[in-house]
Amino acid sequence: QLLESGGGLVQPGGSLRLSCAASGFTFSSYAMSWVRQAPGKGLEWVSGISPSGGSTYYADSVKGRFSISRDNSKNTLYLQMNSLRAEDTAVYFCAKLPPEITVYFDYWGQGTLVTVSS
Amino acid sequence: QSVLTQPPSVSEAPGQRVTISCSGSSSNIGKNVVNWYQQLPGKAPRLLIYYADLLPSGVSDRFSGSKSGTSASLAISGLQSEDEADYYCAAWDDSLNAWLFGGGTKLTVL
Repeated sequence: QLLESGGGLVQPGGSLRLSCAASGFTFSSYAMSWVRQAPGKGLEWVSGISPSGGSTYYADSVKGRFSISRDNSKNTLYLQMNSLRAEDTAVYFCAKLPPEITVYFDYWGQGTLVTVSS
Repeated sequence: QSVLTQPPSVSEAPGQRVTISCSGSSSNIGKNVVNWYQQLPGKAPRLLIYYADLLPSGVSDRFSGSKSGTSASLAISGLQSEDEADYYCAAWDDSLNAWLFGGGTKLTVL
């Protein structure tokens, strides 16, 4: 199970940290990722992280503003979002992958809504 | 970042067969695995097809996938009303070092 939290309303230029609590599998053995969906739009990959946390990947649209991390001792994935813009408004899904980050997303959380507005 | 190209919508009658295409390039579909996701209204996406043509446990065998070169297809046979959903293809892009999703295809069962 993947349970996201931390979403909410934030002003443009503000910051927010999302969390994804994982259970039911050996968290430290799998790559993880964040995928978002703006209202009425399609899926957009945001960021990914290797099982150990040693490798991270970002979409160009968030590079330099967002930071992905994980705490394998707490079975939790994070997304630190800084310098937020209106176009970052979306439901953010946490997704699990196999150990390789390039393969597929096999389980998804229910998502948490982030709204960037003044 | 570019997206994989899917038709915005398809429709077909119950019991019929429909296919959804996904066009990419040599750096994504041409080199890596293609996956398909189903998103029912108001729900999170779920994995429908992986490695182009494999079905996860619990997915109906009415769904099938294929890949040829830089394109992939999802086929749904024996259409049912509960198949009405948005369908997305996805593949890792080696040039961008990033995941790409198709724009999504809305399936309407007439």
